[in-house]
Amino acid sequence: NSKVIQTPRYLVKGQGQKAKMRCIPEKGHPVVFWYQQNKNNEFKFLINFQNQEVLQQIDMTEKRFSAECPSNSPCSLEIQSSEAGDSALYLCASSAGQNERLFFGHGTKLSVL
Amino acid sequence: AQSVTQPDARVTVSEGASLQLRCKYSYSGTPYLFWYVQYPRQGLQLLLKYYSGDPVVQGVNGFEAEFIKSNSSFHLRKASVHWSDSAMYFCAVSAGSNNRIFFGDGTQLVVKP
Repeated sequence: NSKVIQTPRYLVKGQGQKAKMRCIPEKGHPVVFWYQQNKNNEFKFLINFQNQEVLQQIDMTEKRFSAECPSNSPCSLEIQSSEAGDSALYLCASSAGQNERLFFGHGTKLSVL
Repeated sequence: AQSVTQPDARVTVSEGASLQLRCKYSYSGTPYLFWYVQYPRQGLQLLLKYYSGDPVVQGVNGFEAEFIKSNSSFHLRKASVHWSDSAMYFCAVSAGSNNRIFFGDGTQLVVKP
């Protein structure tokens, strides 16, 4: 069973507000991913980290999101100014290394009103 | 670029029947291949993984998948489905640098009693 902890489970924000969610990866996992899953169940890769450093991120994340994975603290993903189209399930996952299986949290469901 | 295609958005089978969920990937090398299952309001859980060796891999709960390189496919199978298998199933491929993992759009499995 996965021990990736995501908080909060549900998040409701108005348009233009900041939305912040957190993730505690499995102990000892150096790699952390964030994905956005829309209502059609489609996955969009947002960003990934290895040992606190950003490996890759998409353009949207670079412009509108703020993400970090500090040592000894939860990882976080923050939307600077929420838009209606950001409403989705945000999934955090961690892995032991490259090409290893992902362990997922339950996700944070964001609703932007 | 890597990609994953799950051509069936929804599959309906009767309990006790056999099952095949299709997955095709695009990658020039030898990929790491995964099948994950997502139950309602939960994160994804690994069913099975393939990288090398026997092309038929066994997973949890009686699932198996066969890697066919000539067809770039990694179809998921189960001999006899149970109503509790109703869920979303995602095929994923991990390849290349930066630990990037690509997911298909998922197949909704509905098992009728």
